[in-house]
Amino acid sequence: EVQLVESGGGLVQPGGSVRLSCAASGFTFSGYWMGWVRQAPGKGLEWVANIKQDGSEKYDVDSVKGRFTISRDNAKNSLYLQMNSLRAEDTAVYYCARSLGYGPGDYFDYWGQGTLVTVSS
Amino acid sequence: EIVLTQSPATLSLSPGERATLSCRASQSISRYLAWYQQKPGQAPRLLIYDASNRATGIPARFSGSGSGTDFTLTISSLEPEDFTVYYCQQRSNWPPEYTFGQGTKLEIK
Repeated sequence: EVQLVESGGGLVQPGGSVRLSCAASGFTFSGYWMGWVRQAPGKGLEWVANIKQDGSEKYDVDSVKGRFTISRDNAKNSLYLQMNSLRAEDTAVYYCARSLGYGPGDYFDYWGQGTLVTVSS
Repeated sequence: EIVLTQSPATLSLSPGERATLSCRASQSISRYLAWYQQKPGQAPRLLIYDASNRATGIPARFSGSGSGTDFTLTISSLEPEDFTVYYCQQRSNWPPEYTFGQGTKLEIK
């Protein structure tokens, strides 16, 4: 059974940093593009970033460029999102998701339960 | 940037009825569109990809159609558990982007 379990969310002050983790199991993690999608409270879905199987390609949405960094450790079956210079508008539930298999632009066929990041003083 | 517009924002129907949800793209996206279902407090669930392919384990009452700029998600006979929010999403390999629609809420009439 495919499982994605996020951790690392919480309350952080504006300008602060946090690192999200996603532990994957039930599939060959190194064989898939992976990504992060966020959802602000009561709002819709927004893709944040994704990363190729070997970590050699990474893409992210303009609103997080230069502040967020996606990475992975295939030996640990883990995906990460380092979030720096956080703003109030980054407040959201952050989901780890597995790409279906088409490549850098893809659909997400499995999702974690999400971790809430709240940016507030 | 491609914009996806879903309509209606809210759809009120009764169990057993047929639901038709629409997603319109600001420019042609061929058949590169997916539909997700999201229940309160849960992660989204992939229903349909590439416009008309059902994802693993999705009941046959869910179907998708369309190409170019106009797409439809149809639920043939609504079950009580279908009343929730649905999102469409387009994919593009270059530039890599994932755009979601704003969602349609399906509520019990």
